[in-house]
Amino acid sequence: SAVISQKPSRDICQRGTSLTIQCQVDSQVTMMFWYRQQPGQSLTLIATANQGSEATYESGFVIDKFPISRPNLTFSTLTVSNMSPEDSSIYLCSVRTGAEGAEAFFGQGTRLTVV
Amino acid sequence: AQSVAQPEDQVNVAEGNPLTVKCTYSVSGNPYLFWYVQYPNRGLQFLLKYITGDNLVKGSYGFEAEFNKSQTSFHLKKPSALVSDSALYFCAVRDSLSGAGSYQLTFGKGTKLSVIP
Repeated sequence: SAVISQKPSRDICQRGTSLTIQCQVDSQVTMMFWYRQQPGQSLTLIATANQGSEATYESGFVIDKFPISRPNLTFSTLTVSNMSPEDSSIYLCSVRTGAEGAEAFFGQGTRLTVV
Repeated sequence: AQSVAQPEDQVNVAEGNPLTVKCTYSVSGNPYLFWYVQYPNRGLQFLLKYITGDNLVKGSYGFEAEFNKSQTSFHLKKPSALVSDSALYFCAVRDSLSGAGSYQLTFGKGTKLSVIP
């Protein structure tokens, strides 16, 4: 299994500012993803982080709001831009190999509160 | 389209009693099914998965799940619940037709399990 370090673990931010979340994996992984978990809700996939190219965003999420970088196979960042209170959520980094049926592993999450 | 349903928001069980957390799914092809557990202020931890083969799969911490194709279910079970099992449990599904390069993993809304001492 992969060990995923996600930073920061939590933050309180002012509306209108941006926060960058880092995800570091202890081994090279094929696939990296970013999820959002709103209070009391399930997980929603934001985007797939592609190495060396633009991320693939799910419906309802756009690059201007959630820019993602993935410079190599072990590291990715998610920025939450121009934050509003509605962005208060837990943001989770996830990885898996490309093997068929492979399970995903998750970071411990970043609990973001926007005031 | 794929979907997963966890019909119970909360399950309460006495310590030492068997527990079941329900999950049903819908996919076009064959399902890949997963259970995860989330403790407070933590990320998701993988418990077990069904890909193919034996319908009864065993996972971490004494949990097991039974795949039932006719009922499109994948209920999570444990013979004897512990207080430390109290957490939020998520069922997830991916359609095998998605292909290895795709990751359309869909999560249920989660079931809060409370084990009462």
